[in-house]
Amino acid sequence: GENVEQHPSTLSVQEGDSAVIKCTYSDSASNYFPWYKQELGKGPQLIIDIRSNVGEKKDQRIAVTLNKTAKHFSLHITETQPEDSAVYFCAASKENTGTASKLTFGTGTRLQVTL
Amino acid sequence: DVKVTQSSRYLVKRTGEKVFLECVQDMDHENMFWYRQDPGLGLRLIYFSYDVKMKEKGDIPEGYSVSREKKERFSLILESASTNQTSMYLCASRPRDRNEQFFGPGTRLTVL
Repeated sequence: GENVEQHPSTLSVQEGDSAVIKCTYSDSASNYFPWYKQELGKGPQLIIDIRSNVGEKKDQRIAVTLNKTAKHFSLHITETQPEDSAVYFCAASKENTGTASKLTFGTGTRLQVTL
Repeated sequence: DVKVTQSSRYLVKRTGEKVFLECVQDMDHENMFWYRQDPGLGLRLIYFSYDVKMKEKGDIPEGYSVSREKKERFSLILESASTNQTSMYLCASRPRDRNEQFFGPGTRLTVL
């Protein structure tokens, strides 16, 4: 089955700096790569996703890049703010909206944005 | 707004007890999922269901069972709780035509 590795496990940056979280996956058939953010006391929430037919996607201060050949994808957060402090999870799956496609999650990155 | 609710935020049970964790979603989603979240291990899929009365094993189904008698409700059952099932349990739902999963707030289960 799919295996997703995520690094680093913790990341501390100063407000205004950039943060990068990296993930690798093992199954070359995976074609959907979402990122979830989990704030304290809440369930994870989707913040951005990318499909294998594109190499990069941006949404304001966050961007995701995908390298299919190397089987890795990354989350980039620019101009970090204290509200970006959370646990971030990457995931991978074979997109199949007909039935329940399974997401395989990474182990999570705790991002701390300091003032 | 999609709302996924879980019956308890915190639960303490004794070894050997039968434990029911309930999850309800109000958006008529076809697919529902149960995960456990442990430090350093991320989210691991226990079971999922793509329709009423349908269930599929996830990556770590041992020691768990599930029930989906109604579309909006997905229950996770620990037949005989053990200390290694102490964890945060997260429920999620997803409509058939979208990939985004919507998570509940989680139930932190402690088995003594």
